Amino acid sequence: NAGVMQNPRHLVRRRGQEARLRCSPMKGHSHVYWYRQLPEEGLKFMVYLQKENIIDESGMPKERFSAEFPKEGPSILRIQQVVRGDSAAYFCASSPPSRTPNYGYTFGSGTRLTVV
Amino acid sequence: ELKVEQNPLFLSMQEGKNYTIYCNYSTTSDRLYWYRQDPGKSLESLFVLLSNGAVKQEGRLMASLDTKARLSTLHITAAVHDLSATYFCAGKAAGNKLTFGGGTRVLVKP
Repeated sequence: NAGVMQNPRHLVRRRGQEARLRCSPMKGHSHVYWYRQLPEEGLKFMVYLQKENIIDESGMPKERFSAEFPKEGPSILRIQQVVRGDSAAYFCASSPPSRTPNYGYTFGSGTRLTVV
Repeated sequence: ELKVEQNPLFLSMQEGKNYTIYCNYSTTSDRLYWYRQDPGKSLESLFVLLSNGAVKQEGRLMASLDTKARLSTLHITAAVHDLSATYFCAGKAAGNKLTFGGGTRVLVKP
């Protein structure tokens, strides 16, 4: 049973380019969450999605960032016109529906984005 | 809005001794999570605490939850080098998102 799969593991982009981060949730998990971790800091919530729906995007910057979780395929976090301040580790987590007993979150290995 | 604070931010431990990490949260959180993160790695789930008075133990780690005090603790018994990592607590308020504390970086020295 594969866990949460994120790719790429490392991504280098020049300022002004676009970054696309992918996340495939665990089998049976229908909820996906994206978090950002700056060096030496905790994780900050960005967005919560279910298939074809954005449920909570209260942590997403208003500009340049977008996320989707299509009916088929992985969830995508897209950052347009990247700047150096976007350099961070981006983690995806997935969970089953909240009414599931022992509800918990499984995290992927993360994508480390470096903007040069 | 839920806020989560951990202390200390950094903990230098001696092998064989006992230590506690504290996690305070600001509003009702229906679950409290503890995670471990090694440098450059993802988060490993340690404990999920569901109710007041909950206590869970795994090896040298024990976590407890006091919902009235809005406090969770992670107790480390007889620290060993392998426990060196950063430990995060996280709360889940209304909605499904987790709010993380700032982390406690643990370094166990011989």
